[in-house]
Amino acid sequence: GAGVSQSPSNKVTEKGKDVELRCDPISGHTALYWYRQSLGQGLEFLIYFQGNSAPDKSGLPSDRFSAERTGGSVSTLTIQRTQQEDSAVYLCASSPRQPSTNTEAFFGQGTRLTVV
Amino acid sequence: KQEVTQIPAALSVPEGENLVLNCSFTDSAIYNLQWFRQDPGKGLTSLLLIQSSQREQTSGRLNASLDKSSGRSTLYIAASQPGDSATYLCACQGGSEKLVFGKGTKLTVNP
Repeated sequence: GAGVSQSPSNKVTEKGKDVELRCDPISGHTALYWYRQSLGQGLEFLIYFQGNSAPDKSGLPSDRFSAERTGGSVSTLTIQRTQQEDSAVYLCASSPRQPSTNTEAFFGQGTRLTVV
Repeated sequence: KQEVTQIPAALSVPEGENLVLNCSFTDSAIYNLQWFRQDPGKGLTSLLLIQSSQREQTSGRLNASLDKSSGRSTLYIAASQPGDSATYLCACQGGSEKLVFGKGTKLTVNP
C-alpha cells in the first residue's frame, strides 16, 4: 500500500496566521510521530501518538503548537499565530507496533512551512 | 536524556571507495537503532533497523553494526556510487518510545 502521506507539501503563510498540517500514516500503524527539521539542524521531536494512549507532547515548543489524531489514523498538527522561527520542514512518521518489538519507522516527504 | 552524535558531519569520497559512518549514543538502554537516508528536500528513507539483541544487519551494499555496551553503531557502505550521495541519519529508540536522531553525516561520492 501507500506510504506515509503528508499535505500540503509546501505552505507559505503570513506571520500571525494559523496553519494546519496533515499526516496520513500507513494503514494499521498504531504509532505516529511528528518531527521538525529546521535549516541545517537535526530532527527535533514534537509529539508522539501510540494507539489509544495519551500522546507524548513533551517536544512541543510552545502552546501555539497542538496536534490531534482522529480515529487512531489521520493526524493534524496545528500551529497558531505563526512566527518566522516556525519556518521548517515538518515530518511525520508511523510505525506498526510498540517499540519493544521490531518496529521500523517510515517517514513521509514532509511539509515545508515558510512564514513570511 | 539520550544524546546521539554522528561523526563526521560531512564526508567526500571518490566513487568505488568503501566507507564507514559513525553513530554514538549516551544511553545504552535502547530497543533499537535505525539508519536513514535523506536526499535534499526529501523525507527520510529507512535503510536498516537493528534490534537491541542484534549485532548487525545487512542490506545489499550496506552493513550496520551495533555495540550497545560501548554506545556505538557503524554504517558500512561498500563500493560507493554517486547515487549514494545523501545525508545519513541514525536514530535510537528507547523507553520513551520516541526516536532520538543525530545531526547526520552528509556524504558526497564523486564520479
